[in-house]
Amino acid sequence: AQSVTQPDIHITVSEGASLELRCNYSYGATPYLFWYVQSPGQGLQLLLKYFSGDTLVQGIKGFEAEFKRSQSSFNLRKPSVHWSDAAEYFCAVGGGDSSYKLIFGSGTRLLVRP
Amino acid sequence: DAGVIQSPRHEVTEMGQEVTLRCKPISGHNSLFWYRQTMMRGLELLIYFNNNVPIDDSGMPEDRFSAKMPNASFSTLKIQPSEPRDSAVYFCASSSDRVHTDTQYFGPGTRLTVL
Repeated sequence: AQSVTQPDIHITVSEGASLELRCNYSYGATPYLFWYVQSPGQGLQLLLKYFSGDTLVQGIKGFEAEFKRSQSSFNLRKPSVHWSDAAEYFCAVGGGDSSYKLIFGSGTRLLVRP
Repeated sequence: DAGVIQSPRHEVTEMGQEVTLRCKPISGHNSLFWYRQTMMRGLELLIYFNNNVPIDDSGMPEDRFSAKMPNASFSTLKIQPSEPRDSAVYFCASSSDRVHTDTQYFGPGTRLTVL
């Protein structure tokens, strides 16, 4: 069965520091992978997605993620965090027969220290 | 461009009342999804429509929940009768059908509180 694990419930970083949010997935074939961000009281906004090709994917707001098949991971990174990046981040996996179905991780809440 | 539009943004009702949530997908999108988000269960897919037809309603919790999509620009999710455990944020999302799992664009959500 497909599943997504985000092992960190909360992460706190200082403004200007680098960030890495972890995501591990379980999937039988090549997955479609997504990162979404949810600001308080808002809907989910797509940061980036991986379908195929280059395993390093660039997204909006300076985020990037790297697909590592050998580690079943799709970690999200940003070199320098801004206070406005404080939000909840969701990793999701899709694809396969029920290719419309996205399985979401439980989310990682990012706090940014001034 | 207008994104996915949901109404109302907030709904407070009493147990036993009927609740109707509304969604307008992005123009030209032919896939529509209803999700529920709770602290305990995270984001769950309730139902998926493609070309206005319900394809997968396996996530609908029980018969109290129903969803319709009478045309390409409108969908409703109805709960009758509502219960306190239905309190959650309900999201609508839409996508294009060129590739099944394409980017899903989410609306701002409806925060439902059932007293």
